[in-house]
Amino acid sequence: AQSVTQLGSHVSVSEGALVLLRCNYSSSVPPYLFWYVQYPNQGLQLLLKYTTGATLVKGINGFEAEFKKSETSFHLTKPSAHMSDAAEYFCAVSADTGRRALTFGSGTRLQVQP
Amino acid sequence: NAGVTQTPKFRVLKTGQSMTLLCAQDMNHEYMYWYRQDPGMGLRLIHYSVGEGTTAKGEVPDGYNVSRLKKQNFLLGLESAAPSQTSVYFCASRGSGGGSYNEQFFGPGTRLTVL
Repeated sequence: AQSVTQLGSHVSVSEGALVLLRCNYSSSVPPYLFWYVQYPNQGLQLLLKYTTGATLVKGINGFEAEFKKSETSFHLTKPSAHMSDAAEYFCAVSADTGRRALTFGSGTRLQVQP
Repeated sequence: NAGVTQTPKFRVLKTGQSMTLLCAQDMNHEYMYWYRQDPGMGLRLIHYSVGEGTTAKGEVPDGYNVSRLKKQNFLLGLESAAPSQTSVYFCASRGSGGGSYNEQFFGPGTRLTVL
């Protein structure tokens, strides 16, 4: 079984401030972890993914995430927020070698204040 | 490449009506998925398919049926719509190689309202 918990359904930051979106996972096997972004009225776009190897993963638009096995976490960060980062962000885990489906967290809506 | 497309984009149904949502992908992907997105709940898996002619249930399959007669298409049917099926429906696909970490590609979604 696998699950994802995203802490904070809404996060608000000022433009230029650090962005930190939290994700904790539960998995009985080594997980593969993903962050997706959803802009209003659009589908989901992959930001980054962790598979194996380096635990610090860099993605698009300046985002990165660090896999911490001991903390079962995969938090998403960006050093300096931009207005265009306002969107909903979903953390997801894939640990099912059969159907290979994703289990999503409930999402975090990021607001960026000018 | 169009990627993953969904038809229609919006639909309003009355309780008890039926409809079919169409998902098409042009990436020759083996795996296809239907998810529903509800506020505060993320995306939940309805049904999935690991290849042409195969389908299986996900976490929330009740009230839905699916078919995968052609590799590129994955249809989601609602036989008798209920207000609880008001949601945004996303289709996704992924290739079969590389293991579980392969990226899923998502369609733009279908917003369904059942009155």
